[in-house]
Amino acid sequence: DIQMTQSPSSLSASVGDRVTITCRTSQDIRNYVNWYQQKPGEAPKLLMYFTSNLKGGVPARFSGSGSKTEFTLTIGGLQPEDFAIYYCQQSYSAPWTFGHGTQVEIK
Amino acid sequence: EVQLVESGGGFIQSGRSLRLSCAASGFRFDDFSMHWLRQGPGKGLEWVAGISWNSDTSGYGGSVEGRFTISRDNARKTLSLQMNSLTGDDSGLYFCARAPGGYSSPRFDFWGQGTRVNVSS
Repeated sequence: DIQMTQSPSSLSASVGDRVTITCRTSQDIRNYVNWYQQKPGEAPKLLMYFTSNLKGGVPARFSGSGSKTEFTLTIGGLQPEDFAIYYCQQSYSAPWTFGHGTQVEIK
Repeated sequence: EVQLVESGGGFIQSGRSLRLSCAASGFRFDDFSMHWLRQGPGKGLEWVAGISWNSDTSGYGGSVEGRFTISRDNARKTLSLQMNSLTGDDSGLYFCARAPGGYSSPRFDFWGQGTRVNVSS
């Protein structure tokens, strides 16, 4: 199985900050990474697919980059509604695996 | 409006079986592969099982292979998960999710709210 290592596991940031979350994979997965946001008591929501494709309706302050084994999700200008847990997921090879999540908290 | 509504969860003893269902509405069900994912208490996300639009292809996570069976009924727009030989490690919130495109390379673009399974030893 492909291992997904997210960092940091948590971070504290202020409204307006630029935040970057990293996901490293145990093997080359080309650009087959998706990102999700999950708020307490809610189901996860897809933000980004194939590394850098924004899902319709997701604000443009979210961006994704990377390739092969290292990927990033950036929030350019954190908003109050962005405080949540973020997960990366690889869609290169079954079983489809997730990172352990990054909790973004209010500083 | 797209909706996925899971049901069938509950409290159950270790070793027993349980069947989960997911009712889909608001989209063309047979345009999507469908999947079950779960989240253990205070834990991250785990893909459990998936099935292609026409049921030709299915797959399972390693921890459930041989115990769980996924199926779908396109006419009734329902997804099911038969879970046998349950253990405490199977406890958690089970989500139904859809993925556009083929079975390969899924992105889970819409999730239900989940149904909770509690397995007691």
